[in-house]
Amino acid sequence: TQLLEQSPQFLSIQEGENLTVYCNSSSVFSSLQWYRQEPGEGPVLLVTVVTGGEVKKLKRLTFQFGDARKDSSLHITAAQPGDTGLYLCAGAGGGGSYIPTFGRGTSLIVHP
Amino acid sequence: EAQVTQNPRYLITVTGKKLTVTCSQNMNHEYMSWYRQDPGLGLRQIYYSMNVEVTDKGDVPEGYKVSRKEKRNFPLILESPSPNQTSLYFCASSFGQFNGYTFGSGTRLTVV
Repeated sequence: TQLLEQSPQFLSIQEGENLTVYCNSSSVFSSLQWYRQEPGEGPVLLVTVVTGGEVKKLKRLTFQFGDARKDSSLHITAAQPGDTGLYLCAGAGGGGSYIPTFGRGTSLIVHP
Repeated sequence: EAQVTQNPRYLITVTGKKLTVTCSQNMNHEYMSWYRQDPGLGLRQIYYSMNVEVTDKGDVPEGYKVSRKEKRNFPLILESPSPNQTSLYFCASSFGQFNGYTFGSGTRLTVV
């Protein structure tokens, strides 16, 4: 199974700040997803990116897939307490395998 | 409402007592998976299924069984649970191998 490294592991910021979370791998993926998970609940899909260099926006969240399809970033503008949660990236189709691989996540806390 | 339903949400059992966690999806998805989530280890895939009667092992299949007799159901069976199977379990489904997953709300299992 291909490894997806997420950084930072933990992030604690004040409301209104901007932040970027990274997801890196040595493998090329056919697609990459970002999820947000709240304590005790299942991950919820935010976005899927499939094309190298692709940028998708979801309100204050901007997702980018690297040109080589090995990495991705999630940028949040003007973070709010409601953005608090565990952000997970997952890659599919890496190394010819169709088994999706999850990173270990970035735990974000946004303080009011 | 499109959803993945897992039952039970919480389960405490004793070592060696067979148990089944049920999973059902109403989206006609072909792909279904079981994951376990442990602190510091992230989401790890146990088993997955590409369609009815087609299942395969994920990263951590030891001690688990699955079956896919119908498209909508994908139960997880622990024939002889052990304390190291104490974890938070998620069932998920997807309509394509490169698409994102819809997750259930999770089953918190404690084996004593």
